[in-house]
Amino acid sequence: GAVVSQHPSWVICKSGTSVKIECRSLDFQATTMFWYRQFPKQSLMLMATSNEGSKATYEQGVEKDKFLINHASLTLSTLTVTSAHPEDSSFYICSARTSGLNSGANVLTFGAGSRLTVL
Amino acid sequence: QKEVEQDPGPLSVPEGAIVSLNCTYSNSAFQYFMWYRQYSRKGPELLMYTYSSGNKEDGRFTAQVDKSSKYISLFIRDSQPSDSATYLCAMNYGGTTNKLIFGTGTLLAVQP
Repeated sequence: GAVVSQHPSWVICKSGTSVKIECRSLDFQATTMFWYRQFPKQSLMLMATSNEGSKATYEQGVEKDKFLINHASLTLSTLTVTSAHPEDSSFYICSARTSGLNSGANVLTFGAGSRLTVL
Repeated sequence: QKEVEQDPGPLSVPEGAIVSLNCTYSNSAFQYFMWYRQYSRKGPELLMYTYSSGNKEDGRFTAQVDKSSKYISLFIRDSQPSDSATYLCAMNYGGTTNKLIFGTGTLLAVQP
């Protein structure tokens, strides 16, 4: 089946630095990818919708200047956490629609996630 | 009130037990209902999805949707220790632009 690959799976950085997370669709093209954030024991919260060749659409309350999203090709979307601070420490997960497209179900396949720890 | 409510658990059952996981929701416009399984420190993986009311079975897993009650369930028969994970329900209205709304997830532990 369709696979979404995410890298790195784990990253530690110092406060004030920037971190880039990559999300790739393997063996399929994803014109749209989604970035989620998950805190411990909480559900997935959609941060933004990444659109190939155009600007990302951010959810209310998500700082677009802090969480930069680039979707330069049909198989790659990147999330850059700029000037990271400890409160940005979280589990970031990307996803793409891989089935149910015709029916409108919009079933998502997720990457394995990236755990960011900001010291 | 959250759009989707799910008991976070944890739910502990002995191996071989039948497990029932549930979600309630408030918006009657939801049409597609999904269950994802998430192992610790991993991304969610899709188990099943259903459209509107009814049942769907896949191996040991059965998904039920009761739109009149705004209630969905996932049943796991003959539960195994490898089923220990967090189970997330998710739903959406349909269409190409709408987003999935997730429950908080239920942590399941199947004891050998």
